[in-house]
Amino acid sequence: GNSVTQMEGPVTLSEEAFLTINCTYTATGYPSLFWYVQYPGEGLQLLLKATKADDKGSNKGFEATYRKETTSFHLEKGSVQVSDSAVYFCALSDRGGNNRLAFGKGNQVVVIP
Amino acid sequence: DVKVTQSSRYLVKRTGEKVFLECVQDMDHENMFWYRQDPGLGLRLIYFSYDVKMKEKGDIPEGYSVSREKKERFSLILESASTNQTSMYLCASSLTAGDETQYFGPGTRLLVL
Repeated sequence: GNSVTQMEGPVTLSEEAFLTINCTYTATGYPSLFWYVQYPGEGLQLLLKATKADDKGSNKGFEATYRKETTSFHLEKGSVQVSDSAVYFCALSDRGGNNRLAFGKGNQVVVIP
Repeated sequence: DVKVTQSSRYLVKRTGEKVFLECVQDMDHENMFWYRQDPGLGLRLIYFSYDVKMKEKGDIPEGYSVSREKKERFSLILESASTNQTSMYLCASSLTAGDETQYFGPGTRLLVL
């Protein structure tokens, strides 16, 4: 079945550092790919998405490119701020199943001033 | 702006009580979802509904039931709450065709004593 794998463990970095969170997936067909963000005490919000191979999603300085050849959708930001501290989830949709999403386990990101 | 609301942010119940969690969306979405979120396990789908009075089991339906009598409202029911159902519960909604994005509510943190 469809699945998403995110790198293990929290990520701690200093303000203005470069952030990368890895996401790889297993899927049949051509899923859409998503990054969601969860700020403390809140629900999930869509951060960005890509619907086909080589598409780049971007929002709030974050970017991710849909790489079919490596089945990856890594999230990057060039200069993080303290306000980017949150949990980040990678997800894919199976399209044929009422838009069910398969989520990765999430990565806690802590940005230190 | 899509709005998904959940009836309570925090809830404390006793073992054996019947618990109702309510979710309402205002975007005329066909699909609605209930997830639970636990540390280290990410989001797991409990049930989803793709139309009024229609429901399908997700990955962890045991101990839960759902009700969808109106398109905008999706209820999660714990028939007899147990301590292992202490968790964060997240509701989401989405369209069936076109945009596959799921929109989330703020979550209900349930503690079962």
